[in-house]
Amino acid sequence: DAGVTQSPTHLIKTRGQQVTLRCSPKSGHDTVSWYQQALGQGPQFIFQYYEEEERQRGNFPDRFSGHQFPNYSSELNVNALLLGDSALYLCASSSPGTSRDYGYTFGSGTRLTVV
Amino acid sequence: QKEVEQDPGPLSVPEGAIVSLNCTYSNSAFQYFMWYRQYSRKGPELLMYTYSSGNKEDGRFTAQVDKSSKYISLFIRDSQPSDSATYLCAMSAKGGYQKVTFGTGTKLQVIP
Repeated sequence: DAGVTQSPTHLIKTRGQQVTLRCSPKSGHDTVSWYQQALGQGPQFIFQYYEEEERQRGNFPDRFSGHQFPNYSSELNVNALLLGDSALYLCASSSPGTSRDYGYTFGSGTRLTVV
Repeated sequence: QKEVEQDPGPLSVPEGAIVSLNCTYSNSAFQYFMWYRQYSRKGPELLMYTYSSGNKEDGRFTAQVDKSSKYISLFIRDSQPSDSATYLCAMSAKGGYQKVTFGTGTKLQVIP
């Protein structure tokens, strides 16, 4: 059973560029959340998608946007990249509808470096 | 002040030791409490989750929640070198669709 799959694994972008990160959730999961993890820090919540809609959003600027497709996969887009956007971007899937399943399954992340 | 505070360590212990990891929090709305383990270059892996106050045991791991003190702990018995990782506490106000707030993580090294 495949877990959460993220692509690409690593990415180097120039300041001001745009980037798209992709995520396929674990089989049976319908909710996708995105987190940003800076070096030495805990993951910070960006937003969550369910039924192709953004349900919740953290304290991130509008440069961060996302999308969820009918097959539950998701994309994270970041425009006008800043050096401070360099981080590990984690995708987490879950299925809140199942009983007592409150934990995420995380992917291994995409390491984004902005130069 | 951060909603969740966690000592970043690093914490170094000999193999077989009992490890205690702790977090404090300020948001009294938190009801769901989790511990994740993160190996280098990997995503976090859920170890334990508990609802409200109390204890939960799973093998060598025990999670404790004291809502009155806004304090949670994870104990690891008979620690193994394979337990060397960063441990993240996490919590949310509700399960399901609510966002999860993480601590900064404690880096643990178990020395053979």
